[in-house]
Parts: sequence; C-alpha cells; structure tokens
Amino acid sequence: DTGVSQNPRHKITKRGQNVTFRCDPISEHNRLYWYRQTLGQGPEFLTYFQNEAQLEKSRLLSDRFSAERPKGSFSTLEIQRTEQGDSAMYLCASSLVVPTNEKLFFGSGTQLSVL
Amino acid sequence: DQQVKQNSPSLSVQEGRISILNCDYTNSMFDYFLWYKKYPAEGPTFLISISSIKDKNEDGRFTVFLNKSAKHLSLHIVPSQPGDSAVYFCAAGNAGGTSYGKLTFGQGTILTVHP
Repeated sequence: DTGVSQNPRHKITKRGQNVTFRCDPISEHNRLYWYRQTLGQGPEFLTYFQNEAQLEKSRLLSDRFSAERPKGSFSTLEIQRTEQGDSAMYLCASSLVVPTNEKLFFGSGTQLSVL
Repeated sequence: DQQVKQNSPSLSVQEGRISILNCDYTNSMFDYFLWYKKYPAEGPTFLISISSIKDKNEDGRFTVFLNKSAKHLSLHIVPSQPGDSAVYFCAAGNAGGTSYGKLTFGQGTILTVHP
C-alpha cells in the first residue's frame, strides 16, 4: 500500500496525558500537512512541512501541540497535557508540489478521545 | 468565522438523478476551490477543482460551477450512483498564499443515493 499511513487509528487517553501520533506520507511527496476534524465540521488546517522545515502553523495550534518531520520523511504530532477539547480526528496529508498545482492525499486519520 | 459554508447537512437523491451540492464562501482572497469526498473510516479524497478564472470544470459525471460574484460554487453529479453516497466537502484556498495545500473546508454534506 503506497498511500498515506497514520498510526494509531484510535487513541483513548485520560485528560492531562501526553499523546503522539505518527504519519508516513507517500514516499516521493515533499509536503506534509496536519489537519484536525471535529464532529460535524470539516478538516481544519493545523500545520505543514516542506521536507523537514515546518513552514506554517495555524493559530489553532496551541503551545501544547508540537509537530516534527525529521529528515523530511515521517512526521509526528504530539499533544501535551491533553484536554477534552482535543478530542478529534487528526488527519495527515501529503503532496508533491509541481508548478501551479498541488493535490493533497489524506490518510485515514487518528481518532483521539480524551476522557 | 466560517469562511466556507455548506448549508445543507444532508441530501437524498434517487439513483440516476442529478445531485447538486452547494457551497458559499466569504473570503475574496480564495482563488481556487475543490471538492473532496469522504467515506466512513477513510480520509477525504480529491474529486474535482476549479480555478477562479473559470466558471465551470467538468470531469466525467462531476461538474463544478463557480459564481464569483455570488461567492458560490456547486457540484453536480449526473447521473448519481449508490456508490456516490459519502460526505462531500467543499474547500477553498489562496494560490497566492504559502501553499496550495492550506485549505479551508466547509462542514460537509452527507449525500445518500438510493437505488
């Protein structure tokens, strides 16, 4: 399977705990995005990387959130001191940038439930 | 502030008939628009897009219409098939921004096509 892979698929945690999600993009893709989707809403942009550089972060991304993409391959999203409001589907997407075009390929997401 | 709105949470259509999904936006900086389809337990998949310099784009059974003056776009599916049953998200972006992949999504419309 050469699509975008996200692990774990589901994560249940207690409030105050730290969690980390992993995303493996399509291998030749140079950009990687994190989105968050809550029930009844569309995905919301969180941050993106070009290779290993994090180029933009949304105002939605509080200081408790940190994302990395070491060596420009897989990426991790860590949430520290989780809150119930962090419960959501966290989606990763990757893309290959060509002039005037960029198509996102999404993974199946990690569903986070904070109790 | 919902910059992209899909005001119909759901739509039910008979197989073979036309499905019309609507989307409104408020940000005049958006200059390209996309539709994504999402099945349960999967990430969104790209369906069709349109640049603001066009008013129509067609791909097989799918046509997207853009009315810039009204800040409105629609997706037409003709003929509708049961396999089209999914959640459809409208999304918008700014090609002059940092990334084509930084998108603003609507809330989604659940399309059900009955045999």
